Amino acid sequence: QKEVEQNSGPLSVPEGAIASLNCTYSDRVSQSFFWYRQYSGKSPELIMSIYSNGDKEDGRFTAQLNKASQYVSLLIRDSQPSDSATYLCALAGGTSYGKLTFGQGTILTVHP
Amino acid sequence: DAGITQSPRYKITETGRQVTLMCHQTWSHSYMFWYRQDLGHGLRLIYYSAAADITDKGEVPDGYVVSRSKTENFPLTLESATRSQTSVYFCASSEWTGGAGYTFGSGTRLTVV
Repeated sequence: QKEVEQNSGPLSVPEGAIASLNCTYSDRVSQSFFWYRQYSGKSPELIMSIYSNGDKEDGRFTAQLNKASQYVSLLIRDSQPSDSATYLCALAGGTSYGKLTFGQGTILTVHP
Repeated sequence: DAGITQSPRYKITETGRQVTLMCHQTWSHSYMFWYRQDLGHGLRLIYYSAAADITDKGEVPDGYVVSRSKTENFPLTLESATRSQTSVYFCASSEWTGGAGYTFGSGTRLTVV
């Protein structure tokens, strides 16, 4: 089993809808969780970080963490075509202390 | 300019040649990382460094060598390039190990023919 697995894409949603991106992980000791967005041909950029169980909201983005079930998700409300990108889940801590471990990414397309 | 820069942006090399990818950051971040990105694999850590003269292997270190004589530079060398090392390489730096402070360079697209 891979350390970090993301729901297979690509994911396509209409403009204005909610996009839901999911990620599960195997290392129970992981402490910090992140979502990066990567536009085609560009480098990843951090959009959300979450450290405690529950929800964390930032504008149209909500990150959800459930350590007992070992999953983290990202909801994008009112999706816009500019949200079309690859979304990477990453974690740090536990056995990966000192470095980020990434999932394989989910491609999101928001169509008008 | 402040930031993290990688060079070259694109590189084509032949099998067996030695290639060095450069990474330079101006923030004096302690931590620096090299990742490779391939379709279906996401970002995989090659090597990382916690400070000058301190480096350690990541998930896929075979065939690569790093050095860090100065805090701001973290070059990655492919000793004898192979086609399987065709990839996009990203350098990143961070003040701390938790991950939120990672800033990535713009990447180097390397093709080994």
